[in-house]
Amino acid sequence: KAGVTQTPRYLIKTRGQQVTLSCSPISGHRSVSWYQQTPGQGLQFLFEYFSETQRNKGNFPGRFSGRQFSNSRSEMNVSTLELGDSALYLCASCPGGPATSTDTQYFGPGTRLTVL
Amino acid sequence: SQKIEQNSEALNIQEGKTATLTCNYTNYSPAYLQWYRQDPGRGPVFLLLIRENEKEKRKERLKVTFDTTLKQSLFHITASQPADSATYLCALDSVGGYNKLIFGAGTRLAVHP
Repeated sequence: KAGVTQTPRYLIKTRGQQVTLSCSPISGHRSVSWYQQTPGQGLQFLFEYFSETQRNKGNFPGRFSGRQFSNSRSEMNVSTLELGDSALYLCASCPGGPATSTDTQYFGPGTRLTVL
Repeated sequence: SQKIEQNSEALNIQEGKTATLTCNYTNYSPAYLQWYRQDPGRGPVFLLLIRENEKEKRKERLKVTFDTTLKQSLFHITASQPADSATYLCALDSVGGYNKLIFGAGTRLAVHP
């Protein structure tokens, strides 16, 4: 089975621009989560999607948004980029389920975003 | 607020020895705790999951303990090898679940030949 894939792997943007990152989960996985990783803050949860619905959200400003498509692929968008948004953005998938639960997460390689 | 602490200092050990990493948490009673390994430039890779009603879990050279009274998990790698050198992250499920994991900052392990 192919793992979680993320595109692009590297991205350079300037302040004020917006960016869209893509994630394809493992086949059959219906839950996709997004995390931001920085040296100072570590791994921080952004949001989680299951069956095209956002079920949970972390403490990030509204500039960070996401969506999930019917084939479980997900995108996240960051608008009005700031220097502090430079980070490794990780996507993780798991089979998921309707009940409140936490499954083992399978992470992708991440997208390295640099904001100049 | 929920807080997870891992040894911020890098852990340097000799090949063949047992590495022990610590994860402490406060203001929370997680249903389970997970350990991940992360290599530079890569996403974390799942290693072990232990539930609140389990005291210990093993997988090959790895062992995890979970003490809900002390609010602590210990992660052991026995007969360590240079290939075990990486950053190890502990993660707890948060209130509300839905796959929202709270991660510690990680401990960098270096195993020297």
